[in-house]
Amino acid sequence: QQQVKQSPQSLIVQKGGISIINCAYENTAFDYFPWYQQFPGKGPALLIAIRPDVSEKKEGRFTISFNKSAKQFSLHIMDSQPGDSATYFCAASMTNDYKLSFGAGTTVTVRA
Amino acid sequence: DTGVSQNPRHKITKRGQNVTFRCDPISEHNRLYWYRQTLGQGPEFLTYFQNEAQLEKSRLLSDRFSAERPKGSFSTLEIQRTEQGDSAMYLCASSLRAGLHHEQYFGPGTRLTVT
Repeated sequence: QQQVKQSPQSLIVQKGGISIINCAYENTAFDYFPWYQQFPGKGPALLIAIRPDVSEKKEGRFTISFNKSAKQFSLHIMDSQPGDSATYFCAASMTNDYKLSFGAGTTVTVRA
Repeated sequence: DTGVSQNPRHKITKRGQNVTFRCDPISEHNRLYWYRQTLGQGPEFLTYFQNEAQLEKSRLLSDRFSAERPKGSFSTLEIQRTEQGDSAMYLCASSLRAGLHHEQYFGPGTRLTVT
């Protein structure tokens, strides 16, 4: 039973474009939502994270939008670059139960 | 390199053999996690330690799997009598328990292939 559902499975964007990845969750006890970036053959790298007390968090070209009532959150990659081509995972966890529940991943390809 | 390290990076074994993987967390981190990732999927939680205590094990962790973290430093994950279904990337992560701090940092993983 996947606790975090992620879409799309893959996307292709032109250099300079915006990549948008969406995630939805059911467990309202989740209170921490990170995004990880993974390149082939490497471990996931923490990209950006948000807690439900804010609706948006921006770090450089990466922005998380969070909608608590809809139980959804999304990652926006602005001005996408070929080096952003990777698989992105959303995840969620809760206080006192720190294990991460991951989405299935989105493979992003940025065309030059 | 002060990140999480894992050894070996790749392991090929025959079905029925035992394998052991090692994880060295970031030095000041007191929580250590093991996850398993199969092709095209997100990592799945296996178990985690706070210092040397193993606090939770997933139902994915059958009795063929055992993990230890002696002295609260490095950790080992052993799989006995490997099966082809054990083929996966085994990921280790560590975090620092400080208030609500959740940030987990992953190692490069150990790719296991069971033939």
